[in-house]
Amino acid sequence: NAGVTQTPKFRILKIGQSMTLQCAQDMNHNYMYWYRQDPGMGLKLIYYSVGAGITDKGEVPNGYNVSRSTTEDFPLRLELAAPSQTSVYFCASSRQIGQPQHFGDGTRLSIL
Amino acid sequence: QQQVKQSPQSLIVQKGGIPIINCAYENTAFDYFPWYQQFPGKGPALLIAIRPDVSEKKEGRFTISFNKSAKQFSLHIMDSQPGDSATYFCAASMIGGADGLTFGKGTHLIIQP
Repeated sequence: NAGVTQTPKFRILKIGQSMTLQCAQDMNHNYMYWYRQDPGMGLKLIYYSVGAGITDKGEVPNGYNVSRSTTEDFPLRLELAAPSQTSVYFCASSRQIGQPQHFGDGTRLSIL
Repeated sequence: QQQVKQSPQSLIVQKGGIPIINCAYENTAFDYFPWYQQFPGKGPALLIAIRPDVSEKKEGRFTISFNKSAKQFSLHIMDSQPGDSATYFCAASMIGGADGLTFGKGTHLIIQP
């Protein structure tokens, strides 16, 4: 069982570049989430989706965009990379509200 | 505004000891309280979770104690082992809300042999 798969695992970007972080789940979960993890700060919610075609902002959405065209995929887009976006990004999914969230192994992103 | 406060930030315990990690929340609408375990280079993995209708839940060596009136909950690890060394996060959410989990800042736990 693959669970939640994130690609790439590591990436270095230059300031102003753009990229898409990929997230795919094979558990047929309706709910998907993007978090960022900064040292000593826990995880903060960037965007979430309750199903295909429906997305909403979390606590720290500025500088990011998402789309959800299928149940399986939930990509996160950085349009103009800034040093403040250096972080570890985690994608998660759950079957229903209040059910356990399953996390991928993260994408480690550095903006230089 | 931090809605879930976690302490301590780091903790060192001898093998066989009982590390205790504490969390306090502010939002009384929270009704789902999971604990996640994270190893270096990996994503968080659900360890155990509790809902506010019970005061304690045990799963193997892991126990959550919940005090609704104090808005606090804690994780106890019985007979701790070096393999339990990891970062632990408490979290909270509203079952009726779709907007993800609110996490504490994490506790880096080291179990010394």
